[in-house]
Amino acid sequence: EAQVTQNPRYLITVTGKKLTVTCSQNMNHEYMSWYRQDPGLGLRQIYYSMNVEVTDKGDVPEGYKVSRKEKRNFPLILESPSPNQTSLYFCASSLVGPSYEQYFGPGTRLTVT
Amino acid sequence: SQELEQSPQSLIVQEGKNLTINCTSSKTLYGLYWYKQKYGEGLIFLMMLQKGGEEKSHEKITAKLDEKKQQSSLHITASQPSHAGIYLCGADGYGGSQGNLIFGKGTKLSVKP
Repeated sequence: EAQVTQNPRYLITVTGKKLTVTCSQNMNHEYMSWYRQDPGLGLRQIYYSMNVEVTDKGDVPEGYKVSRKEKRNFPLILESPSPNQTSLYFCASSLVGPSYEQYFGPGTRLTVT
Repeated sequence: SQELEQSPQSLIVQEGKNLTINCTSSKTLYGLYWYKQKYGEGLIFLMMLQKGGEEKSHEKITAKLDEKKQQSSLHITASQPSHAGIYLCGADGYGGSQGNLIFGKGTKLSVKP
């Protein structure tokens, strides 16, 4: 089954404790992207990757890092999480770029206390 | 920077009624995407529009992009409870890179049986 998986689905952590949210897709997609969704602010792009070893900033990249060492994986790293990073995070992938249908993961709900 | 404004923010309709959701851009749209989200879940792709005047339909949902390519509408005919959810429009951003994607804040649709 074609899918995008994220782990963990739920996470409560404390300020400053480094964490990684994993994202994996099994569709051999070149494009992958991370978003955060917040009430009143909508869905905003954090980082995206057009292919392996090619990443670029979206609209809200501050406080996040990503890497794309393999085509299927695109982890999101929070080196020193802060409460303003409490949010619902989505990973997505598509064949080549955002002009193609994006497949979204189920989301990761992160709470930073 | 480009923004997408959706209206209305929320909508409650009686089952069987028609409805329209609008998405207006501050700049010319080169790719406009409609997604549906069930509360707290990932987004599901509905349609993509690229040409001025283009119209696409899927089941009872029709989306149009105006000739000037700055506004899109999503029309649902004979709404059903299964249409309930949050509808988001997305567009290629103007960050200088092909991978940047922005979204409107969404329209929450409730369908009363």
